[in-house]
Amino acid sequence: NAGVTQTPKFRVLKTGQSMTLLCAQDMNHEYMYWYRQDPGMGLRLIHYSVGEGTTAKGEVPDGYNVSRLKKQNFLLGLESAAPSQTSVYFCASSYRPGTGIDTQYFGPGTRLTVL
Amino acid sequence: GDSVTQMEGPVTLSEEAFLTINCTYTATGYPSLFWYVQYPGEGLQLLLKATKADDKGSNKGFEATYRKETTSFHLEKGSVQVSDSAVYFCALSERDNYGQNFVFGPGTRLSVLP
Repeated sequence: NAGVTQTPKFRVLKTGQSMTLLCAQDMNHEYMYWYRQDPGMGLRLIHYSVGEGTTAKGEVPDGYNVSRLKKQNFLLGLESAAPSQTSVYFCASSYRPGTGIDTQYFGPGTRLTVL
Repeated sequence: GDSVTQMEGPVTLSEEAFLTINCTYTATGYPSLFWYVQYPGEGLQLLLKATKADDKGSNKGFEATYRKETTSFHLEKGSVQVSDSAVYFCALSERDNYGQNFVFGPGTRLSVLP
């Protein structure tokens, strides 16, 4: 099991450029999440998905879009990057609620800098 | 809404010192409680968890007890090592109308000096 993987690990963008971050998990988890981590602010939820083909907004969704076309993949898109989106992005996954297993498993993170 | 509060860091200790990192929460129901650890340059890893009142989670010498009466889940370790230097996050998980809600505290940075 690779667990949760993220690509790329590092990226530098210019303001206005677009990019997609890929998250993949091989644990057959129903739920997947995208967070951003900024100094002194902990983790903030951007978007999440409760299953293939479904997505929902989290705490800070503006400027981001997501897609969950396959159960194992969760993509985070930035259509027009802004310096305020400079952050470390973490993907996580978990089992469906009601299974009695509610732990989140995290990827290693993507460090994004927008100039 | 649900929230998690942690003691402000950074916390700096000498090796073999006793560690306590305070965590309190607010929730509408009966959440599960977690401590995650983040080592430099890595993602978060589950350290321990507790799913109901009076449960004690433990791992790698760390312990935390789910105290419903004080809505707390304080992390403790009797003798810290340099390798414990990391950022520690308290978190809760609770069912809500949209599925499963995970809420993280802001994190507490621990530095252990030899």
